[in-house]
Amino acid sequence: QQPVQSPQAVILREGEDAVINCSSSKALYSVHWYRQKHGEAPVFLMILLKGGEQKGHEKISASFNEKKQQSSLYLTASQLSYSGTYFCGTERAYNTDKLIFGTGTRLQVFP
Amino acid sequence: EAQVTQNPRYLITVTGKKLTVTCSQNMNHEYMSWYRQDPGLGLRQIYYSMNVEVTDKGDVPEGYKVSRKEKRNFPLILESPSPNQTSLYFCASSTLSGNIQYFGAGTRLSVL
Repeated sequence: QQPVQSPQAVILREGEDAVINCSSSKALYSVHWYRQKHGEAPVFLMILLKGGEQKGHEKISASFNEKKQQSSLYLTASQLSYSGTYFCGTERAYNTDKLIFGTGTRLQVFP
Repeated sequence: EAQVTQNPRYLITVTGKKLTVTCSQNMNHEYMSWYRQDPGLGLRQIYYSMNVEVTDKGDVPEGYKVSRKEKRNFPLILESPSPNQTSLYFCASSTLSGNIQYFGAGTRLSVL
């Protein structure tokens, strides 16, 4: 079942912060985050594993609440280069058959 | 350079005319997958393969076929394309299903 992302779209000014959420109705083993810039392929950002710690990547970090089957992606002091569509992907067990992606959150950062 | 290569990048065809979209990776990855991307629906998995000669359906397999005869190649076949298969298609590969997925550049398909 496809995870639900919220919000669907975010508009920011440079330097502002944003949070993107990803929720699943099923127990999860891992959550992946990808970013897709306009006209390009999705690119990996980070993986959060069950029982693992909060991850960070530049000014982008994420958390994973296993009890709630939720993950949040935090973008702080946003830059123009952060614009794109963010996808979460969820995995229910280690090396299962599939990574299921959410519907995406479109982020636009303006000067 | 490690990469996933899809061809063609753009394709316009007519209903019913069989087509193949090729996907090749040079990273010796076991896992390969095809996705379609449609506005508002995100990335939906069509088929995946855990290794050579091992393929299985994803969430939206109807109207598609795949094969995995070699580890590096995973072609997507549309035997009788229909307009509802107009979409942006991505091939991806990884060492395991839960590891980092590397995506190809995408194939934009229009079926008239």
